Amino acid sequence: EVQLVESGGGLVKPGGSLRLSCAASGFTFSSASMSWVRQAPGKGLEWVGHFNSKIDGGTTAYAAPVKGRFIISRDDSESTLYLEVNSLKTEDTAVYYCATSGLTHWGQGTLVTVSS
Amino acid sequence: DIQMTQSPSSLSASVGDRVTITCRASQGIRNDLGWYQQKPGKAPKRLISTASSLESGVPSRFSGSGSGTEFTLTISSLQPEDFATYYCLQNNSYPPTFGGGTKVEIK
Repeated sequence: EVQLVESGGGLVKPGGSLRLSCAASGFTFSSASMSWVRQAPGKGLEWVGHFNSKIDGGTTAYAAPVKGRFIISRDDSESTLYLEVNSLKTEDTAVYYCATSGLTHWGQGTLVTVSS
Repeated sequence: DIQMTQSPSSLSASVGDRVTITCRASQGIRNDLGWYQQKPGKAPKRLISTASSLESGVPSRFSGSGSGTEFTLTISSLQPEDFATYYCLQNNSYPPTFGGGTKVEIK
């Protein structure tokens, strides 16, 4: 069974940083492209970015609102995906989900609140 | 970016009703469309991929159709557990984009 467990969210001041983690199990993580998606309170879903598997080139891509501020990385030996969120703005407040290739399977999410 | 216009944004229906939700893409996306169900406080769950392929374990009352720019999610007989918010997602080209959501409420 595919399991994705996010952690690392919390309350942070504008301009601050956090590192979110997504621990994966139940599938061959190293062969999977992985994504982050976020959802602001009471709002819809927004793709944040992805990290392709090595087989698919090991490339990353980001949504325009987060490009240059967010960094996705992965540790295939630990089956873990990361999202480093920097220069945070109040509009980055959201539940952050990790998801498998094609956004098939999702974790339960971790809440990031940006507030002074 | 491809814009996904989903309608209606909300609807009220009764148990047993037939419900139809529509997504329109701003340009052709072949059949690269999925439908998701999200209940309050939970992660989205994919119901349908490639416009019409039902995920394993999803009840057959859910169906999807369409290709190109017009897509439909149909619930043939609404059940109490189907009250939720539904989203479409295009993954034809980057960035993947979601529709705005349809909240299905009890009438």
